[in-house]
Amino acid sequence: KQEVTQIPAALSVPEGENLVLNCSFTDSAIYNLQWFRQDPGKGLTSLLLIQSSQREQTSGRLNASLDKSSGRSTLYIAASQPGDSATYLCAVREVTGKLIFGQGTTLQVKP
Amino acid sequence: DTAVSQTPKYLVTQMGNDKSIKCEQNLGHDTMYWYKQDSKKFLKIMFSYNNKELIINETVPNRFSPKSPDKAHLNLHINSLELGDSAVYFCASSQGLQSSGNTIYFGEGSWLTVV
Repeated sequence: KQEVTQIPAALSVPEGENLVLNCSFTDSAIYNLQWFRQDPGKGLTSLLLIQSSQREQTSGRLNASLDKSSGRSTLYIAASQPGDSATYLCAVREVTGKLIFGQGTTLQVKP
Repeated sequence: DTAVSQTPKYLVTQMGNDKSIKCEQNLGHDTMYWYKQDSKKFLKIMFSYNNKELIINETVPNRFSPKSPDKAHLNLHINSLELGDSAVYFCASSQGLQSSGNTIYFGEGSWLTVV
C-alpha cells in the first residue's frame, strides 16, 4: 500500500531564505508526482508535476526533484516571501490512477 | 472562468439529513474525482469517474452515492448524514485516469458540518 510522508510537518523561516520541503513514498510504481499549494479555506493549486521519467521541474522560484528509485521528492523554494505562506502537499499518482497525498508541510514565511 | 466549480461552498445540516454537493468542470476533461479532507487535513480519494463510468470506489459507506450525468458533472449525494461526515469535500478533474503527464485540477472545496 502506497504511503506518502512529508517532512517537516511545519516550518517557519524569515523572508528571503531558501528552503527545502521533503516528500517520500513507499512504492516507486508511480505515473507522476505533483506538488500542490493549499491556502487556508481554499482549494488546491497545482504547482509542479514531475512525470515518472523526469528528474526535475522548475517554475519561477520553485524547483521540484524526483528520485523514483529511492522514493523521494524535494520542493525547493528560493528567496522565500511572506506570500509563500501556505500548506504544501505532495501527491503521487499510482498506476491505478489514484492520487495519494502526504499530510502536508505548513510553511510560514515571516516578514 | 472557474475550471472546477462546486456548490455549495459551505453547508451546515443536521444529523440524519440527506444532502448533495454539485461539481462541474469546464476543462473538457473526461475524468472526475471526489476527495475528502478530514479534520487533520489529510486528503483521501473517495470516487473517480471516467467518461461517466465509475472507475475508483474506495471504502466509502454506501450512504455516499456519486452521480455523473455527463462528463462535465460529478455530483455527490450523501444520505443519513452522521457527525463523522463533517469534512471538506473536494471535486477534481483530469484528462485521463492513467496518464503520466496530466495535471489534476481541484475545486475550491465544500465545507460540510453536520450538527
